[in-house]
Amino acid sequence: EDQVTQSPEALRLQEGESSSLNCSYTVSGLRGLFWYRQDPGKGPEFLFTLYSAGEEKEKERLKATLTKKESFLHITAPKPEDSATYLCAVQNDYKLSFGAGTTVTVRA
Amino acid sequence: EAQVTQNPRYLITVTGKKLTVTCSQNMNHEYMSWYRQDPGLGLRQIYYSMNVEVTDKGDVPEGYKVSRKEKRNFPLILESPSPNQTSLYFCASRRRGPHEKLFFGSGTQLSVL
Repeated sequence: EDQVTQSPEALRLQEGESSSLNCSYTVSGLRGLFWYRQDPGKGPEFLFTLYSAGEEKEKERLKATLTKKESFLHITAPKPEDSATYLCAVQNDYKLSFGAGTTVTVRA
Repeated sequence: EAQVTQNPRYLITVTGKKLTVTCSQNMNHEYMSWYRQDPGLGLRQIYYSMNVEVTDKGDVPEGYKVSRKEKRNFPLILESPSPNQTSLYFCASRRRGPHEKLFFGSGTQLSVL
């Protein structure tokens, strides 16, 4: 059975304090690893898709990387508007499995 | 604007009273899905549909029904709601391929008393 584990559950950062979120996974036949951002009271919004080990993608202060067993979401010099829950999900041929998420709070 | 629309946003009901949560997308997506989100458990798939008249169970289908009579609509039906179905529900859609990203609705917070 596919499994996705995100750590830490919660992360409190000072504005400008860079950090990383971890997504460890086991999946039979990875078709893609997804990162989504979820704001309180809203549905998740797509950030990135990674397909193979070694791949990296960037968007503003966020950078996602992928290895064969885990993915990292690096937040560089975060701002308060980066506060959200970040969800990781893995897709095999027929199913998308989500992790429980990491809630990031960035204080000014 | 491309979007997935769910209604209602909030719903409080009592045990056993049938209810329907509607979901509509305007992106002509083939694939639609329902998830429930509970603290510490993440998003779990209830049902999904690959296209019109094609539906299948996800991880937690017990107590739920769906139908896909039109491409744009994918309602979630709770025939006899119970308190353990109190949760935050999301509808999502995407294009056909499994590598495609999901577009989510804004969610329906359901409380069953």
